[in-house]
Amino acid sequence: DGGITQSPKYLFRKEGQNVTLSCEQNLNHDAMYWYRQDPGQGLRLIYYSQIVNDFQKGDIAEGYSVSREKKESFPLTVTSAQKNPTAFYLCATEDRGSTEAFFGQGTRLTVV
Amino acid sequence: AQSVTQPDIHITVSEGASLELRCNYSYGATPYLFWYVQSPGQGLQLLLKYFSGDTLVQGIKGFEAEFKRSQSSFNLRKPSVHWSDAAEYFCAGGTSYGKLTFGQGTILTVHP
Repeated sequence: DGGITQSPKYLFRKEGQNVTLSCEQNLNHDAMYWYRQDPGQGLRLIYYSQIVNDFQKGDIAEGYSVSREKKESFPLTVTSAQKNPTAFYLCATEDRGSTEAFFGQGTRLTVV
Repeated sequence: AQSVTQPDIHITVSEGASLELRCNYSYGATPYLFWYVQSPGQGLQLLLKYFSGDTLVQGIKGFEAEFKRSQSSFNLRKPSVHWSDAAEYFCAGGTSYGKLTFGQGTILTVHP
C-alpha cells in the first residue's frame, strides 16, 4: 500500500520531556514536511526537507528538531523548549515537479 | 509577505443548497493554488489545484474553483451540497516546488 504513515496517532507527554513523532513514506517522494495545526490557525510549517541529509526551518521551528537520514523517513522531535506543544501534527510529502502535497493522517500530541 | 486568507471561519448550509467558500491570496506573482478538505482527526485530501491555464478548475466530489486574478481570489463552489461534505476546508498557495501557505480554514456544517 503506497502512502504516508504517521505514528502514533495519539501521544501524551509530560512537561519537560522530549518526544519523537514518526513519519514514513513509500511514495519515493523527494520532499517531506512537518506542519502543526491549531484550531483557527490553519497549518503552519515547522520544518521541511527537499533532499536526504538536508532540511530547512519553516515558520515555527523553535523547540523542534528533525533529521533526514533516509528518503523514506522524516522524524520530528518536540523538545522541552517548545512551550506549547499540544497540537495536531501533520506530515506531508511532495514529488519534485508536482507541487502537490500528500498528507499523512496526523499525530495528536497532548502535554499532560 | 505571502498570505492566504479564508474570511469565513464557519459556514452552515442546508443539504442540497449551493456552496461557495471564499479564498483570497496575496503573492508577488500568481501562485499555485489548492483546496484541501479535512475530516475530524484526519489528514488533508486534495480537492483540486490551479497552476495556470483555464481559470475554472474541476476537482473531486463535484467541487470546482474559479481563479480570478483581478480579485486575487480562488473560491470553491459546489452546486448541491451533501451531508458528507461537512468538514473543514483549507485553501493553500505556493510559488514553486516547496512549502505551502495555508488559510485559516473554513468549517462547513450541513443541515439536513
